[in-house]
Amino acid sequence: GAGVSQSPRYKVTKRGQDVALRCDPISGHVSLYWYRQALGQGPEFLTYFNYEAQQDKSGLPNDRFSAERPEGSISTLTIQRTEQRDSAMYRCASSPRHLGSSGGLYEQYFGPGTRLTVT
Amino acid sequence: DAKTTQPPSMDCAEGRAANLPCNHSTISGNEYVYWYRQIHSQGPQYIIHGLKNNETNEMASLIITEDRKSSTLILPHATLRDTAVYYCIVEAGSARQLTFGSGTQLTVLP
Repeated sequence: GAGVSQSPRYKVTKRGQDVALRCDPISGHVSLYWYRQALGQGPEFLTYFNYEAQQDKSGLPNDRFSAERPEGSISTLTIQRTEQRDSAMYRCASSPRHLGSSGGLYEQYFGPGTRLTVT
Repeated sequence: DAKTTQPPSMDCAEGRAANLPCNHSTISGNEYVYWYRQIHSQGPQYIIHGLKNNETNEMASLIITEDRKSSTLILPHATLRDTAVYYCIVEAGSARQLTFGSGTQLTVLP
């Protein structure tokens, strides 16, 4: 079946512009995550949704970053007034399980990412 | 504080077993050990997980020591396509997110 998709795959924007990054999770997956990955490092957690509810946004670096998942499926990560330090790969992941599920498996399926470059 | 310690890089000959170690001396009783890998610029891919028993699936085997302070991921017959960064992650079963460390860059040599 279809995996997690993200769009655009590449985005170049000028400093000060707003950008919106889209994530389309695997159909039926209730949990959705956003991560940011700098070159040569592992992904860093940004925020988490359980259905449409944003249950953890502790990883968002500042209030220029926001995310929504209004219908519990597609999610959008928005960065306002972009800065050069926002340049990174932004990855989305989904999981069929939600916080509180029994069992240890918390497998996450990652999308291909959006490469954001702020000039 | 890092929960896991992995060597930064390892080489393995094609066709041989690749044994990737991970130390997690501060693991608590309800925390699982997960392994993910990331091939070049692709998204991370789940490999295997375990709590205290050894586990095996079609991709790999996971050996966890009896005191659970370390584990080893085994790729029984490494291929060139297994070249990737391998991440060992320790998280509670109800964790909201994965905390990735630096991982081990495994290079499978022809």
